[in-house]
Amino acid sequence: EIVMTQSPATLSVSPGDRATLSCRASQSVASNLAWYQQKPGQAPRLLIYGASTRATGIPARFSGSGSGTEFTVTISSLQSEDSAVYYCQQYNNWPTFGQGTKVEIK
Amino acid sequence: QVQLQQSGPGLVKPSQTLSLTCAISGDSVSSNSAAWNWIRRSPSRGLEWLGKTFFRSKWYNDYAVAVKSRITINPDTSKNQFSLQLNSVTPEDTAVYYCAREGSDRYYYYMDVWGKGTTVTVSS
Repeated sequence: EIVMTQSPATLSVSPGDRATLSCRASQSVASNLAWYQQKPGQAPRLLIYGASTRATGIPARFSGSGSGTEFTVTISSLQSEDSAVYYCQQYNNWPTFGQGTKVEIK
Repeated sequence: QVQLQQSGPGLVKPSQTLSLTCAISGDSVSSNSAAWNWIRRSPSRGLEWLGKTFFRSKWYNDYAVAVKSRITINPDTSKNQFSLQLNSVTPEDTAVYYCAREGSDRYYYYMDVWGKGTTVTVSS
């Protein structure tokens, strides 16, 4: 099983600042990496797939990068509605998820 | 617009079978380009993929190793839905269960439509 490790566990960011979230895979997943946003009481929402392609309707302030074992998602200018838990997920074989990074508004 | 509507009991007794259903609107369970997944989230294990069913000229299933001996995911083409059955549940199976559509763009796969989630508690 490919283990996904996210850091940090919690990120506190002021509105308008940049937020950078990291995800590491225990072995190479090429670019088979997706990011999801989950708010309390809601289902996860697809943000990024193929490591860097924004899903339909996702604002341009969200961007993804990386390949192999190291990945990041960046929120260029944090908005209050971006407060959520963010998960990475690999799909090189059976899907596995990271444990999540909670983004808080400072 | 594709939507997934989940249904099923929120409380299951230990050793019994957890059964959930996911009704699809705006797409077909028999689609040749989608797969239909069950995923759960618990405080101890985070998000955990359980398995999927999909149609590519015939029906296929893939299951997570951790639950392979206890899980069945079945399509129901007459009702355009799919179901999850998890046998011999224990309190460790307490979680929020989600159904999700897996799509792809020829190169990459992703879960692009999710149900709202069903909180299932395993307790006597």
